[in-house]
Amino acid sequence: DQQVKQNSPSLSVQEGRISILNCDYTNSMFDYFLWYKKYPAEGPTFLISISSIKDKNEDGRFTVFLNKSAKHLSLHIVPSQPGDSAVYFCAASGTNTGNQFYFGTGTSLTVIP
Amino acid sequence: KAGVTQTPRYLIKTRGQQVTLSCSPISGHRSVSWYQQTPGQGLQFLFEYFSETQRNKGNFPGRFSGRQFSNSRSEMNVSTLELGDSALYLCASSLEGQVRQPQHFGDGTRLSIL
Repeated sequence: DQQVKQNSPSLSVQEGRISILNCDYTNSMFDYFLWYKKYPAEGPTFLISISSIKDKNEDGRFTVFLNKSAKHLSLHIVPSQPGDSAVYFCAASGTNTGNQFYFGTGTSLTVIP
Repeated sequence: KAGVTQTPRYLIKTRGQQVTLSCSPISGHRSVSWYQQTPGQGLQFLFEYFSETQRNKGNFPGRFSGRQFSNSRSEMNVSTLELGDSALYLCASSLEGQVRQPQHFGDGTRLSIL
């Protein structure tokens, strides 16, 4: 039962343009969401988080948007850089899941110079 | 500040054997979680330990077990290894507090079963 879904396995974007990565969830009890970036042969690196009391959170070039009614979140990267090429995972947890996070299957982003 | 350290980085075993993986969390982090990553499956939650107690458990068979020591270091054990256990095993640690905290991952142990 995949409670967090990333329906785009891959995405290619030109350097300098915006990258938009999407994530959907099914559990209405999820209230804390994270994005991670993963390079090959390394563990996931935490990028940005958002709690359900907010609908937007920014950190430099990264912005996460949360649409609770649609159970949808997205990560915007502006401007995209070649070093952003990696696999991006979204993750979610809820007050009823403790510290257990549910992860999507990832989206592989390629930024073309 | 040192990150999450997992050892060994690579491991090759044969079916039927058992294996123990180790994880040292970030200093001060008392929650340690384990995940299995296989191609196309994302990260699947195995279990979480806090203060030497298993606090959450995912949907894995009893062959997968873990423990946590008083210094928050954690080990994961898999017995009677099967070919399907070949995966990247990731450990993550996090702080506990009033505000929800992200998990921080180690680089994982790549386990290959022959």
